[in-house]
Amino acid sequence: AQSVAQPEDQVNVAEGNPLTVKCTYSVSGNPYLFWYVQYPNRGLQFLLKYITGDNLVKGSYGFEAEFNKSQTSFHLKKPSALVSDSALYFCAVRGVSTSGTYKYIFGTGTRLKVLA
Amino acid sequence: GAVVSQHPSRVICKSGTSVKIECRSLDFQATTMFWYRQFPKQSLMLMATSNEGSKATYEQGVEKDKFLINHASLTLSTLTVTSAHPEDSSFYICSARILAGDAYEQYFGPGTRLTVT
Repeated sequence: AQSVAQPEDQVNVAEGNPLTVKCTYSVSGNPYLFWYVQYPNRGLQFLLKYITGDNLVKGSYGFEAEFNKSQTSFHLKKPSALVSDSALYFCAVRGVSTSGTYKYIFGTGTRLKVLA
Repeated sequence: GAVVSQHPSRVICKSGTSVKIECRSLDFQATTMFWYRQFPKQSLMLMATSNEGSKATYEQGVEKDKFLINHASLTLSTLTVTSAHPEDSSFYICSARILAGDAYEQYFGPGTRLTVT
């Protein structure tokens, strides 16, 4: 089965502190993994992706994600959170649709709230 | 960077009418676009894959006669919600696929909020 789990509906962190948003996945073969951010009433903005190579992937706005194959995880991290990072974050994995073509499978999202 | 636009950003229509939503790739050509639906506080649900010059591929459970998709050019895909009902009210998001390095990436439009009264 192909799926993405984001176990936390909401993560609260104080400004300046490190943040982690968790994601685990289930997919056949080598995973293609993505993180997106969504601000209210907006579409999704691409943050970063893992295809192959280094397990630590650096992305936009100072975010990074660590791929862990044994734990099937792809947690999003940032060393120092900003209030402006407050948004909804989605993890996604590339899967296969019912028609046999590739599609993205999204997690349910984690709302990040950075407190001043 | 790759920019995808959607129009309109917000639309209110009466039950029984049809609504067309446009998705455009502004600075690149996209042979494949995707249409998603997002319910409040929920994830994105893929509705269909839109391929330029051919019929769209719908996900299981999505009514193709209700959600008409046309991808007439390499920069434009449209979603028409026919005979809309209040339960069709939702946030509709499109994305366009672009080859980046050795894998495809999806770039998303800003979304269209449809309210059916």
